[in-house]
Amino acid sequence: TQLLEQSPQFLSIQEGENLTVYCNSSSVFSSLQWYRQEPGEGPVLLVTVVTGGEVKKLKRLTFQFGDARKDSSLHITAAQPGDTGLYLCAGGRNTGNQFYFGTGTSLTVIP
Amino acid sequence: EADIYQTPRYLVIGTGKKITLECSQTMGHDKMYWYQQDPGMELHLIHYSYGVNSTEKGDLSSESTVSRIRTEHFPLTLESARPSHTSQYLCASRKGSAGAGYTFGSGTRLTVV
Repeated sequence: TQLLEQSPQFLSIQEGENLTVYCNSSSVFSSLQWYRQEPGEGPVLLVTVVTGGEVKKLKRLTFQFGDARKDSSLHITAAQPGDTGLYLCAGGRNTGNQFYFGTGTSLTVIP
Repeated sequence: EADIYQTPRYLVIGTGKKITLECSQTMGHDKMYWYQQDPGMELHLIHYSYGVNSTEKGDLSSESTVSRIRTEHFPLTLESARPSHTSQYLCASRKGSAGAGYTFGSGTRLTVV
């Protein structure tokens, strides 16, 4: 059973379009992270959110943690080809020593 | 510049061979992890360690073993490689604090023929 489900699984859009990726769970997490992975490389941490309802911005990327800390979203404004990659969310718990990774969203931005 | 190193980057090996994938980090992180990932797919945790002489199996049974004799070194060994082991193997480390993020290596792409 996958703790964190991401949607959509695949997304292909034109450069300049906006998009939102979702990360959903029935479990509560103390913090949630988003990573981007490019082909042939390991995932790279983008952001960590820890408070229910928290919103963080990283240039054209906006991350939101759900009020109940069960879900999160990533919104990209005016997507660029450099945004292409696999986006992974990961939820952590205070009692654990690991994060649980989501199913991933593969994004392709077409020039 | 990478603070966590994996070798080799690519490996093609015959069925039945014993192999060791190397992972070293220079950040002094206590926690280290091995994940298996098929291209573009989700990560599956196969082993983790909270410190020297501490190792645990993850959710995915991969018929592999790990050791943690030194803080910086966390090698993964496959005693007898099979074609089903063909995958990408990612090593990661993180600080001990609850919200600390992972630093991943670039991975080892393993093909068993």
